[in-house]
Amino acid sequence: GIQVEQSPPDLILQEGANSTLRCNFSDSVNNLQWFHQNPWGQLINLFYIPSGTKQNGRLSATTVATERYSLLYISSSQTTDSGVYFCAVLTGANSKLTFGKGITLSVRP
Amino acid sequence: NAGVTQTPKFQVLKTGQSMTLQCAQDMNHNSMYWYRQDPGMGLRLIYYSASEGTTDKGEVPNGYNVSRLNKREFSLRLESAAPSQTSVYFCASMNQDWSYEQYFGPGTRLTVT
Repeated sequence: GIQVEQSPPDLILQEGANSTLRCNFSDSVNNLQWFHQNPWGQLINLFYIPSGTKQNGRLSATTVATERYSLLYISSSQTTDSGVYFCAVLTGANSKLTFGKGITLSVRP
Repeated sequence: NAGVTQTPKFQVLKTGQSMTLQCAQDMNHNSMYWYRQDPGMGLRLIYYSASEGTTDKGEVPNGYNVSRLNKREFSLRLESAAPSQTSVYFCASMNQDWSYEQYFGPGTRLTVT
């Protein structure tokens, strides 16, 4: 099956810093989503981005489908950005999402 | 518009007990999914239902059964719980007719002792 790798596995930032989170995938995909899992365990949809670039406030994402990677940019990080960021790709007729193992982000005040 | 709802939020079971996790969505989505999340890992698909009346196995179906009761509701049943089923369970839904974006419920934290 498709492999999804996220890097780095852990990231510690000082409040106000910028960061780039990476997601590599091993095959063609129908869709790619970025999620933020907050400290309470809730999965929050950040981006639905099979290709191209999207921005939402301090967050933006770029997917280059032909090169099989996606990047999530966080600018001017805040403590509320802490949590785990998952990349998930959708493949096949059953529209199954395959998740990466996540990137744990800690933003310190 | 509540999105995807799950009950219960927390549950503790003894080995061998049974229970049903409930999921409902009010977005008129065709497809519904059950995932489990174990520590340090992403989510893994247990079962899915592409439309009302159909269900199929995902990556880790052993020990579980599902029912797609109607378009809104998709339940997950543990017939004889085992400690290996201690996990957080997420339900999701999607309408692939116009978007492949999946939306997740708040999760059910299950502990089997």
